[in-house]
Amino acid sequence: GEEVAQTPKHLVRGEGQKAKLYCAPIKGHSYVFWYQQVLKNEFKFLISFQNENVFDETGMPKERFSAKCLPNSPCSLEIQATKLEDSAVYFCASSQSYGYTFGSGTRLTVV
Amino acid sequence: AQKVTQAQTEISVVEKEDVTLDCVYETRDTTYYLFWYKQPPSGELVFLIRRNSFDEQNEISGRYSWNFQKSTSSFNFTITASQVVDSAVYFCALSASMDSSYKLIFGSGTRLLVRP
Repeated sequence: GEEVAQTPKHLVRGEGQKAKLYCAPIKGHSYVFWYQQVLKNEFKFLISFQNENVFDETGMPKERFSAKCLPNSPCSLEIQATKLEDSAVYFCASSQSYGYTFGSGTRLTVV
Repeated sequence: AQKVTQAQTEISVVEKEDVTLDCVYETRDTTYYLFWYKQPPSGELVFLIRRNSFDEQNEISGRYSWNFQKSTSSFNFTITASQVVDSAVYFCALSASMDSSYKLIFGSGTRLLVRP
């Protein structure tokens, strides 16, 4: 299909718990990007993949965040030991030839 | 380094007024793409336009128009005869290969409020 599917739409975690977010990119798109948006403000780039390989991880907080894109599986973004400041909407986008399609986002609330 | 600046944090207009949202960008790349996105209160990102660095023609789509000027590194967005449904946060973004490894660099957004 022509949609980027992000699941779940909402996720609530207690501080210190693990959170895992999923993104199914559009078939045929080579790039996947993850962004964090806090309070509908700025988009912070986290990580990108070219197929299943990490392409750019300059935005990833290395200590608690990890991400994967494996063949024939949705991409995932995992946050170990969530903190209150991780509360945000996480957007995934897939891209081919400078065309970017965004998913509808996962709202993570850490309580 | 690449950067997108949207100096207007918030704009409030009355319905039917015209409004222009400013966007200034920086890049060392000669090939790049510029984008505008709308984020309504529901939260999704709605794609509005993509422009490449070799195409400086202005574009009009209904009530929306875009003015791309390489000389001033600007890509401004005008809404003519604004409507309440135009109320949203609007983001300008830039992508290039060498400087940004294809990721979209977003501006900080302009919140537009259209009052009835």
